[in-house]
Amino acid sequence: NAGVMQNPRHLVRRRGQEARLRCSPMKGHSHVYWYRQLPEEGLKFMVYLQKENIIDESGMPKERFSAEFPKEGPSILRIQQVVRGDSAAYFCASSPGSGRVYEQYFGPGTRLTVT
Amino acid sequence: DQQVKQNSPSLSVQEGRISILNCDYTNSMFDYFLWYKKYPAEGPTFLISISSIKDKNEDGRFTVFLNKSAKHLSLHIVPSQPGDSAVYFCAASAGNNDMRFGAGTRLTVKP
Repeated sequence: NAGVMQNPRHLVRRRGQEARLRCSPMKGHSHVYWYRQLPEEGLKFMVYLQKENIIDESGMPKERFSAEFPKEGPSILRIQQVVRGDSAAYFCASSPGSGRVYEQYFGPGTRLTVT
Repeated sequence: DQQVKQNSPSLSVQEGRISILNCDYTNSMFDYFLWYKKYPAEGPTFLISISSIKDKNEDGRFTVFLNKSAKHLSLHIVPSQPGDSAVYFCAASAGNNDMRFGAGTRLTVKP
């Protein structure tokens, strides 16, 4: 199955800890997007990355959140010093490349619970 | 800033009947609209899309209608099947990578 993979699927962190969410795009896809879904809300865009570049991070909270998509390996969404309000489902999507940015394929998501 | 709105959180339809899911948007710069379907514990999957230069796009049982003057789009599913039961998200983009999603409508198709 060459779909978008995310791990872990479920992550529990205590307040103040760090959360690292991983996303492996579909084979051949060089564009990665991160979204957050809060309970009873839609998906909210966070960040768009290409290999080694952050293209658009307009949806990222200014503090504690960061994302990277290194030359090798998965894309990482990192949340430092988590708070209860960070509890949500985080979805990663990938797309083939320029000219087809609308064609986003989503992973199964990581459900983060902050206790 | 809710630029894409799905005002019905849920919809229940009898198998074989038509399901109509609605979506409104406020940003006149949106030029591409998509519908995604989401099952529990899975990521959203792309269903159908429409460009702002069209007012209708059809794919099998699924048809999306766009009314630009009303800033409204709808997804019609005919005939509805129990397997269509899922959460449907409307999304819109203004030609950049910032896709805005609605809050979703939970469709239940009863056998």
